[in-house]
Amino acid sequence: EAGVAQSPRYKIIEKRQSVAFWCNPISGHATLYWYQQILGQGPKLLIQFQNNGVVDDSQLPKDRFSAERLKGVDSTLKIQPAKLEDSAVYLCASSLNPAGAGSIQYFGAGTRLSVL
Amino acid sequence: DQQVKQNSPSLSVQEGRISILNCDYTNSMFDYFLWYKKYPAEGPTFLISISSIKDKNEDGRFTVFLNKSAKHLSLHIVPSQPGDSAVYFCAASDNAGNMLTFGGGTRLMVKP
Repeated sequence: EAGVAQSPRYKIIEKRQSVAFWCNPISGHATLYWYQQILGQGPKLLIQFQNNGVVDDSQLPKDRFSAERLKGVDSTLKIQPAKLEDSAVYLCASSLNPAGAGSIQYFGAGTRLSVL
Repeated sequence: DQQVKQNSPSLSVQEGRISILNCDYTNSMFDYFLWYKKYPAEGPTFLISISSIKDKNEDGRFTVFLNKSAKHLSLHIVPSQPGDSAVYFCAASDNAGNMLTFGGGTRLMVKP
């Protein structure tokens, strides 16, 4: 079974530029998550989708970050414009069940973003 | 405000000995607890979990203990193997699986 696919693996941009990340979840997984992991910290949830609807985006900086999940499958996360503090690894995860205790999330390898 | 804390950023253990990783939480709404393991350049992978109705869950060499009154959980690995060297994240959610919150991680090094 193929895992969660993310691209690109690495991205270097200058501040104020824009960037987009792509995620393809495990086939059949209804729930998709985007996390931001700053060096030395644990992943922080940015947004959670259930099919193509947003369940939780309370920690998404909406003035610069946006995300969509077209047709309830692939998802893109965009940052525009980027700031230095956005340098982090952006992780995508998916789970089979809608949010429920015991619902295991499967993570992609992440995109490492460096903002110069 | 860190709702899930792993106070030890790193731990070094000899192969064959026990590794004990600790985690504390503050939010009483948390009802389900998970441990994830992360190797460099890979995403976290699920390791073991425990519901608040239990105080212990075991899976092979891995055991998670939960002390709800102290808001503390621990992961025991016995015996530790060099392949266990990784960063371990504790995570907690409410009983609907929402509010999944991760700790800062503990880097475990198992020496041969």
